[in-house]
Amino acid sequence: GAVVSQHPSRVICKSGTSVKIECRSLDFQATTMFWYRQFPKKSLMLMATSNEGSKATYEQGVEKDKFLINHASLTLSTLTVTSAHPEDSSFYICSARDLRVRETQYFGPGTRLLVL
Amino acid sequence: GQQVMQIPQYQHVQEGEDFTTYCNSSTTLSNIQWYKQRPGGHPVFLIQLVKSGEVKKQKRLTFQFGEAKKNSSLHITATQTTDVGTYFCAGGQDSGSARQLTFGSGTQLTVLP
Repeated sequence: GAVVSQHPSRVICKSGTSVKIECRSLDFQATTMFWYRQFPKKSLMLMATSNEGSKATYEQGVEKDKFLINHASLTLSTLTVTSAHPEDSSFYICSARDLRVRETQYFGPGTRLLVL
Repeated sequence: GQQVMQIPQYQHVQEGEDFTTYCNSSTTLSNIQWYKQRPGGHPVFLIQLVKSGEVKKQKRLTFQFGEAKKNSSLHITATQTTDVGTYFCAGGQDSGSARQLTFGSGTQLTVLP
């Protein structure tokens, strides 16, 4: 199946710093990528939809100035958590849609962020 | 907005017993997808159902999409310890170009040997 990579897999940072997470589709082109946040033992909450070459669409309640998304190419989207705070600690998962397989999303392995 | 509810939240079964998780959407879906997430892992796509009343099987797993395309179920026959994990349904709707998935809350399955 299609492969999506995510980097880094884990990151620990100090409060107030910014963290960038990369999401790459390795063997297919993804015009659309999605960013999710998952709290322990909870479902995935969609944060934003990232479209290549255009601005991301954020879900209600997600601060676009805090969670910066850039989808510069058909295989790469980045999520930057700016001025991170402890409450931003979470598991962030990206997914990419392979247009060859209608409406199927492939998920990255996730990034566990801990803000001290 | 669209809501997808999934029950039960937790299920403990003895190895060899059957297991079913149910998914209900507040709105009609264009498709429903099922994912499995192992502890500490990420969601892995299992299957997609598109047609009203559709039933698909994958070995011991049977997936069903309701006639009204608002509910779905996943049934596992004779569970094994390898079935442990959280099963999520995700409803898809054609909302313009977004085509987002709305995930259910998941059912965490524990299989006791």
